[in-house]
Amino acid sequence: EVQLGESGGGLVQPGGSIRLSCAASGFTLSGYWMAWVRQAPGQGLEWVANINQDGSERYYADFLKGRLTISRDNAKNSLSLQMRSLRPEDTALYYCARVFSYYYNYMDVWGKGTTVTVSS
Amino acid sequence: SSELTQPPSVSVSPGQTARITCSGDALPKQNAYWYQQKPGQAPVLVIYKDNERPSVIPDRFSASSSGTTVTLTISGVQSEDEADYYCQSADSSAPYPVFGGGTKLTVL
Repeated sequence: EVQLGESGGGLVQPGGSIRLSCAASGFTLSGYWMAWVRQAPGQGLEWVANINQDGSERYYADFLKGRLTISRDNAKNSLSLQMRSLRPEDTALYYCARVFSYYYNYMDVWGKGTTVTVSS
Repeated sequence: SSELTQPPSVSVSPGQTARITCSGDALPKQNAYWYQQKPGQAPVLVIYKDNERPSVIPDRFSASSSGTTVTLTISGVQSEDEADYYCQSADSSAPYPVFGGGTKLTVL
């Protein structure tokens, strides 16, 4: 079964850092673009970052640029998101998602998400 | 970037047809996709490549487009269709997604 599983969320103080991970199973990660999407409590979906198959192309949402690093380890079938200088408004459920292709960039597989809470 | 606008809410009675719109200037040039999200669950893709459905999605879900507006149509709405629905397209200048604000579908 094709699955994604996020981990690494938790409570972080403002200004702190956190590293989220996403483990893929049932498919070969190296064949796909991957994305992180977040959802603040009671709010809509918000794209965070994309990375291409070999990690050579990375895109970040403007409002997060400079505070994020998306990376992948295809040998371990895993995706990561390093977040720095966290703010209370970064509090959200963070989803890992598989992107179908560069041209058709819909997300056809989603994890259940991992929650990041930024609070003192 | 490209913005997508959805109505905050749509209400229909069971068995009726629900139409959820998504408007954006880039839509005539970009593909549009739709997701369903039920409370406490991850989003699920319901429409891709403008009007294709994953095999697990009932055929009462369809989509159409006209100019700068795409529409998700749910025919014969059932109570289980009550959810938030999000449209998504691509940014006009880079290969990353843009989401609409979401529409809460209420089945009366």
